[in-house]
Amino acid sequence: EVQLVESGGGLVQPGGSLTVSCAASGFTFNIYEMNWVRQAPGKGLEWVSYISSGGDATYYADSVKGRFTISRDNAANSLYLHMSGLRAEDTAVYYCASDDYGALHWGQGTLVTVSS
Amino acid sequence: QSVLTQPPSVSGAPGQRVTISCTGSSSNIGAGYDVHWYKQLPGTAPKLLISGNTNRPSGVPDRFSGSKSGTSASLAITGLQAEDEADYYCQSYDSNLSGPYVVFGGGTKLTVL
Repeated sequence: EVQLVESGGGLVQPGGSLTVSCAASGFTFNIYEMNWVRQAPGKGLEWVSYISSGGDATYYADSVKGRFTISRDNAANSLYLHMSGLRAEDTAVYYCASDDYGALHWGQGTLVTVSS
Repeated sequence: QSVLTQPPSVSGAPGQRVTISCTGSSSNIGAGYDVHWYKQLPGTAPKLLISGNTNRPSGVPDRFSGSKSGTSASLAITGLQAEDEADYYCQSYDSNLSGPYVVFGGGTKLTVL
């Protein structure tokens, strides 16, 4: 069974940095493409970033390009999102999601709050 | 503004049938990318409901069905039950010079009357 467990969320000041992590189990992590998706309070789902199975290709939403960096450690079955230059509008639950022929399987999410 | 367009809300009485539409364009659904549907209960993560336009993962009741035609897709729920009350999202892919990327509908709140 696919299991994804996010961690690392918390309260951070505007302009600050934070790295959230995702521990994967129950599937062969190193052959799956992965994504980060976020959901602001009371809002819909917003795709944030993608990384290929080997980590050699990454894509970002325009709203986070240049500020967020996605990475993975296949030996550790882990996915990361390093966020810098954080803004109030980055406040959201951040979900990691594995890509199974285009369909997403989700973790439970971790809340990132950007506030002074 | 979401790339895929869904109605903000739909409602129906127990036992009735409701449909939720998901309208895209020639760069996403119309380009041949599959549509997937998710159900989200308050305070929980989205859960895959329909994959690859029409396929139900194990454990999803056959009251749920999906379809796709042209630049649109639909989710149908028959025999509406109280536990179906939730937010529903469609998802596909779009593409630009950088490559394909995930896109979502804005979500539809289903109310069971």
